Amino acid sequence: TQLLEQSPQFLSIQEGENLTVYCNSSSVFSSLQWYRQEPGEGPVLLVTVVTGGEVKKLKRLTFQFGDARKDSSLHITAAQPGDTGLYLCAGGRFGGTSYGKLTFGQGTILTVHP
Amino acid sequence: NAGVMQNPRHLVRRRGQEARLRCSPMKGHSHVYWYRQLPEEGLKFMVYLQKENIIDESGMPKERFSAEFPKEGPSILRIQQVVRGDSAAYFCASSPKSLAGAETQYFGPGTRLLVL
Repeated sequence: TQLLEQSPQFLSIQEGENLTVYCNSSSVFSSLQWYRQEPGEGPVLLVTVVTGGEVKKLKRLTFQFGDARKDSSLHITAAQPGDTGLYLCAGGRFGGTSYGKLTFGQGTILTVHP
Repeated sequence: NAGVMQNPRHLVRRRGQEARLRCSPMKGHSHVYWYRQLPEEGLKFMVYLQKENIIDESGMPKERFSAEFPKEGPSILRIQQVVRGDSAAYFCASSPKSLAGAETQYFGPGTRLLVL
């Protein structure tokens, strides 16, 4: 069974601070996707990374895929109250019996206080 | 370009009734996935379908649950004889995946099922 360990589970910070969320596994993933989910809604895709060592930036958000494709991180610079939400990482694999399914981490609930 | 559509958004059933959840994938997407999110838990994969085919149902309970994606119309997740433990948010995702590799999955807003 593939597992994705996401940390921290809860994060409460002040506006303007920086933060990093981690997603770790002992398994190799072909792709790693980060989503953000608001209460009562479905996950909304933020980014997909597929290459080991890949770094993608989305405004104040920086996503990195580990060289071995077993871990990923999400870094937010100068957090704003609008960043508040549940952040989810999800790993996908090519081929084999896991083909098609995403394995999700437990999520990080981020609260940014004004 | 409309996103993934799910209906109903909320569904209340009494124990023993049937629940039918519908999912229309994004335009041009032929691959559908169903996930379940139990209270205080993460999303768990249930089933992966292509048109008229179930590709992987390893995450779906063997009894009472079934899924289909017909040639025409939405994908349906059917839960027979619901029990209180079936109360959860059920999400559908779609992708334009090719055999070459995994594609990004786009999620619908979910159906919140409450079993009384």
